Amino acid sequence: SQQGEEDPQALSIQEGENATMNCSYKTSINNLQWYRQNSGRGLVHLILIRSNEREKHSGRLRVTLDTSKKSSSLLITASRAADTASYFCATDLSGYSTLTFGKGTMLLVSP
Amino acid sequence: GAVVSQHPSRVICKSGTSVKIECRSLDFQATTMFWYRQFPKQSLMLMATSNEGSKATYEQGVEKDKFLINHASLTLSTLTVTSAHPEDSSFYICSAIMTGDGGIETQYFGPGTRLLVL
Repeated sequence: SQQGEEDPQALSIQEGENATMNCSYKTSINNLQWYRQNSGRGLVHLILIRSNEREKHSGRLRVTLDTSKKSSSLLITASRAADTASYFCATDLSGYSTLTFGKGTMLLVSP
Repeated sequence: GAVVSQHPSRVICKSGTSVKIECRSLDFQATTMFWYRQFPKQSLMLMATSNEGSKATYEQGVEKDKFLINHASLTLSTLTVTSAHPEDSSFYICSAIMTGDGGIETQYFGPGTRLLVL
């Protein structure tokens, strides 16, 4: 079964609004990573949050991690049309190359 | 479901030798495959986009003469690490894009190849 499950599967918002995507997982992790993928392109790493961290920021991105609930969220503030992409979470179980990806959330930001 | 395989799963080689890693889509055709590398406890780093029938597109900072990519068929892409050195030791992962009904694209990842250069 899927280790990382993103929710929602698709999200459509207007420019300027905030977008929140969630990721749930089943087993203990070493770290959780968020990636972005534009159509036809490879994954681009956004943020890595370790199991002992609760929140991380990078520009307009904010990631939270709740290990008790085995969930993480990615918040994109003041979204732009250029943020339109698929967003994936991936969990690293052992700290070395056991990434398991979810199916992703497709974000559409309309001008 | 769709499966992507990689071969070998792990390889140990001497410094200066070349290593070829294969990425196969087993039950679908993939015009686009991606190659990533991952260091311990780090994120995936996109190395290149492999396009069937054309030259690969490399990300900034990735040496194309060092990491040769060939996508000779719709089910096979190969990554050759030429004149490997210890700093090339890493986990190499490929992914393949399957285009389904309605043009919906789904990405499937291979299990990865662990390279250790002595």
